Amino acid sequence: GAGVSQTPSNKVTEKGKYVELRCDPISGHTALYWYRQSLGQGPEFLIYFQGTGAADDSGLPNDRFFAVRPEGSVSTLKIQRTERGDSAVYLCASSLMGQGNHEQYFGPGTRLTVT
Amino acid sequence: GEDVEQSLFLSVREGDSSVINCTYTDSSSTYLYWYKQEPGAGLQLLTYIFSNMDMKQDQRLTVLLNKKDKHLSLRIADTQTGDSAIYFCAEEKNTDKLIFGTGTRLQVFP
Repeated sequence: GAGVSQTPSNKVTEKGKYVELRCDPISGHTALYWYRQSLGQGPEFLIYFQGTGAADDSGLPNDRFFAVRPEGSVSTLKIQRTERGDSAVYLCASSLMGQGNHEQYFGPGTRLTVT
Repeated sequence: GEDVEQSLFLSVREGDSSVINCTYTDSSSTYLYWYKQEPGAGLQLLTYIFSNMDMKQDQRLTVLLNKKDKHLSLRIADTQTGDSAIYFCAEEKNTDKLIFGTGTRLQVFP
C-alpha cells in the first residue's frame, strides 16, 4: 500500500512569507507526527495528533508554527512570517496506535529553504 | 535533558560486522528504535526493542539493550555497501513522541 506522502518535496520562500506543508498519512493510521530535521542533526519532534486533536504540541518552537488535522487524516503544518532559521527538512510520520503498534512510518519530507 | 547520544562516524570493511552505539536519557522509555536514512531519502524503520528485553535479533540485525546503563547498540552482521547510510537511535517518550540521536554515519568500504 501507499506510504506517507508529503507535498511539496521542496519549497523555497522569502523571509517573512507564509508557507503550508502537507502530509498524507498511511490510510487508517490514527496518529500523525511532525518532526523537523536540520542539517547534520537528528529529527526533532514538533507536534503529535491523535485523530483530529493535537495530543502534544510541546515541540512547536513558537507561535509562528501551527498545525491542523481537521478530518483526522491529512495534516497541514503552517509557518507564518518565515525566518531563515526555519530552513530544514520537515518530516511527517504516521502510526497505527493501540494493539501493541508503536512503529512510526516516515514520509520523504519537505525541504524548506527560507532566503 | 533530552540528549540521545551517538558517535558521529563508523567505517567498516565490507563483510565485517558493524556495531553502532547509543546512550539515551530516560529510564522510563518503553520502546527504543533504530532508523536508517540514506542520502535524500526518508527515515526507514529498521527495528525496535521493548524495554523489558535485553536482546532482539532480526536477520542480520541484533539489538542489545542495557537498561541499567541506558545503552543501546545495533550490530549489523556481514555489512554490505548498501548498508552505508546514517543510523539514528530514538527513544519513545510516554506521549509517543520520539527523541532522536544525532545519527551515526556508517561508511562501508570494499
